[in-house]
Amino acid sequence: DARVTQTPRDKVTEMGQEVTMRCQPILGHNTVFWYRQTMMQGLELLAYFRNRAPLDDSGMPKDRFSAEMPDATLATLKIQPSEPRDSAVYFCASGLAGTYGYTFGSGTRLTVV
Amino acid sequence: DAKTTQPTSMDCAEGRAANLPCNHSTISGNEYVYWYRQIHSQGPQYIIHGLKNNETNEMASLIITEDRKSSTLILPHATLRDTAVYYCIHFMNRDDKIIFGKGTRLHILP
Repeated sequence: DARVTQTPRDKVTEMGQEVTMRCQPILGHNTVFWYRQTMMQGLELLAYFRNRAPLDDSGMPKDRFSAEMPDATLATLKIQPSEPRDSAVYFCASGLAGTYGYTFGSGTRLTVV
Repeated sequence: DAKTTQPTSMDCAEGRAANLPCNHSTISGNEYVYWYRQIHSQGPQYIIHGLKNNETNEMASLIITEDRKSSTLILPHATLRDTAVYYCIHFMNRDDKIIFGKGTRLHILP
């Protein structure tokens, strides 16, 4: 089965460091989402792209987070500088607009100490 | 904001049918009802969706009321592997984003 690949699987970093998470969407999918999940807030939408263009990033703290799609096979989510409150699991999902259901990756578990 | 209402948690005996309700009274005519689930430590997984007719696939059945204000996800023969958080969402199929609520935590009891 085709899958969304996220790297790294786990990341532990010190406060103030830059963190980059990567996502390889399913080949042919033109829509990519970034979500963050914590126990307190549940699944929160951070940003999403269609055909590599950002459609909505209102869920993202603008001062420290940035999301890009350098090409159709790679989406990145960057945090600079990272803070302990950024500790969460970050999920990427991809889909094809106009079709049914999106596929999620296994997530990146980020711990900022 | 999530626009659906689901029970916080439910229990179901293994081998029995699990019936998970969802209220979506603000659903509009062109919005679909989708169900996803999230097994511990994994990403959410698409289960099924529907517009107005009942739907069935290899994972589950979806029953949507005639007024479309509520639906029920049915897992016909629940197994321990069905223990997960189940999310009910409604949105337009095209050009739309998924906003997750809190979902229902389903415990399958041996």
